[in-house]
Amino acid sequence: NAGVMQNPRHLVRRRGQEARLRCSPMKGHSHVYWYRQLPEEGLKFMVYLQKENIIDESGMPKERFSAEFPKEGPSILRIQQVVRGDSAAYFCASSPHGLEWTQYFGPGTRLLVL
Amino acid sequence: AQKITQTQPGMFVQEKEAVTLDCTYDTSDPSYGLFWYKQPSSGEMIFLIYQGSYDQQNATEGRYSLNFQKARKSANLVISASQLGDSAMYFCAMREGSGGSNYKLTFGKGTLLTVNP
Repeated sequence: NAGVMQNPRHLVRRRGQEARLRCSPMKGHSHVYWYRQLPEEGLKFMVYLQKENIIDESGMPKERFSAEFPKEGPSILRIQQVVRGDSAAYFCASSPHGLEWTQYFGPGTRLLVL
Repeated sequence: AQKITQTQPGMFVQEKEAVTLDCTYDTSDPSYGLFWYKQPSSGEMIFLIYQGSYDQQNATEGRYSLNFQKARKSANLVISASQLGDSAMYFCAMREGSGGSNYKLTFGKGTLLTVNP
């Protein structure tokens, strides 16, 4: 039973480029959450999505960041025009319906902006 | 105010000894839950143990136990018989509320545990 998959595991971008991070939830899970971990910090909630719906994006920066979870395919976290401060580990978690706090984390994507 | 406070940036323990990692929390919601995660140097987040606010007994999972003191708002992680593979960063986290509003996990800053041979 495959866990939460994230790719790429490592991503290097130059300032001004776009970063696309992908997350495939566990089989049977319909809820996806994105968290960001800045260096020397704990994880911070960014966004909660269900299929084709953004439920809560209160933790997302207002500009340059967007997330989607289409009917088919993985969830995508998109960062446009990246800056050095976007360098962080981005974790995706998924949960089954009705057990939203039972979150299984993926291995994370480490984004480095040069 | 910090919702989750981990006051120990780093801890050292000898192999085979027990160690306690501290976590205090702040919430006014009567329904909440507390988690501990392990993050080894490889970076993934590994779930260790969970304690619900209404659970009568302290949670245990193998060598991990959670010392839950509700009145003091503390949820310390106890690791018995430490192993070298326990060396990692440990995060305490909390969910608040019930029903459809309890999905947002709040994490502390973590404690780096080093197990010495």
